[in-house]
Amino acid sequence: EVQLLESGGGLVQPGGSLRLSCAASGFTFSSYDMSWVRQAPGKGLEWVSSISASGRSAFYADSVKGRFTFSRDNSKNTLDLQMNSLRGEDTALYYCVSHITAVLDHWGQGTLVTVSS
Amino acid sequence: DIVMTQTPLSLSVTPGQPASISCTSSQSLLKSNGRTYLSWYLQKPGQTPQLLIYEVSNRFSGVPDRFSGSGSGTDFTLKISRVEAEDVGVYYCMQTTQLPRTFGPGTRVDIK
Repeated sequence: EVQLLESGGGLVQPGGSLRLSCAASGFTFSSYDMSWVRQAPGKGLEWVSSISASGRSAFYADSVKGRFTFSRDNSKNTLDLQMNSLRGEDTALYYCVSHITAVLDHWGQGTLVTVSS
Repeated sequence: DIVMTQTPLSLSVTPGQPASISCTSSQSLLKSNGRTYLSWYLQKPGQTPQLLIYEVSNRFSGVPDRFSGSGSGTDFTLKISRVEAEDVGVYYCMQTTQLPRTFGPGTRVDIK
């Protein structure tokens, strides 16, 4: 069974940093691209970033480009999303999502990031 | 960026009756490899989004066959043949043909 467990969310001041992690299990992690998708409170879904299976390529939404860095450790089956220069509009539930059968097929439960002073 | 629009934005359905949601993209979602990367997701109240349909018409594992997807190019449709109470929630279409990946605004479905 595919499992994706996010962690690292919390309350941070504007301009601050936070590092989200996702622990994956139940599939051959190193074979698949992965993504982060976020959802602001009461709002729709927004794609944030994707990373290739090897970790050599990462892609970002314009809203986070230059501030967020997506990386992975295929030896540990983990993902990291380093978030810097956080803004109020980054407040959201962040989901770790796999691309196994299809793009964005299995979703974690999410970790909440709140940016506020 | 490809803009995704959905109609209607809300829908109230009688159990046992059919329902249909349309999704339109601002550009064709047909990729050079001949595949069209349009997916449908359902987010039930208080739950994580779940994949229903991928590449226009492929039902994901475990998805009931009352859900079906169709379309091509820029126009796509999700149909529920007979709505059940458990189908309430917000339905999103999403394109992954081109970066950035973009979602539609969502269609809220409830039961009459």
